Amino acid sequence: AQSVAQPEDQVNVAEGNPLTVKCTYSVSGNPYLFWYVQYPNRGLQFLLKYITGDNLVKGSYGFEAEFNKSQTSFHLKKPSALVSDSALYFCAAPTGTASKLTFGTGTRLQVTL
Amino acid sequence: GAGVSQSPSNKVTEKGKDVELRCDPISGHTALYWYRQSLGQGLEFLIYFQGNSAPDKSGLPSDRFSAERTGGSVSTLTIQRTQQEDSAVYLCASSLDGLLTSPLHFGNGTRLTVT
Repeated sequence: AQSVAQPEDQVNVAEGNPLTVKCTYSVSGNPYLFWYVQYPNRGLQFLLKYITGDNLVKGSYGFEAEFNKSQTSFHLKKPSALVSDSALYFCAAPTGTASKLTFGTGTRLQVTL
Repeated sequence: GAGVSQSPSNKVTEKGKDVELRCDPISGHTALYWYRQSLGQGLEFLIYFQGNSAPDKSGLPSDRFSAERTGGSVSTLTIQRTQQEDSAVYLCASSLDGLLTSPLHFGNGTRLTVT
């Protein structure tokens, strides 16, 4: 079955430090991969996507993600974390029908001063 | 333009009662999705509408759940004879054309509590 996995329930980072939120995938063929963010009491917001092309994808709010085919990973990164980046992050990939997105279990990012 | 609008934002209901949750997608978006987010869990796909095609209902957890989309716009998710395990945040999303090159735009959700 096609799926994505987020191995960390929570990531803690000090403001100003680089952050990484991990995602691995199990998808047949060429994967389409996405990152969404959920701020408190809000719906999800699209951050970035990988469809094809460059392995390093740049998205909103200074985030980027690196597609690594050999490691089947699509980790979300940011060079310098902000307290305002604290939120719940979801990795996603289509499963079943082409337009149905399946989301990972989410990783809570906590950035502290 | 406005984003995806969901109402009510909060709903408390007694076990056994029926509830209706409403979603007003972004104007012009042909694809509409319902997801459920339970505490401590990820997002669970419920149903997907694309244009005039038959909806993908493969994620509906039981026959107590149903959804319709009238006129290709507003959607209503109905839960009959609610149970405590139905308590969750119900998220609606729309996208321009249902293709994965188009991101999903989510509403703020309806928090359903079944007592």
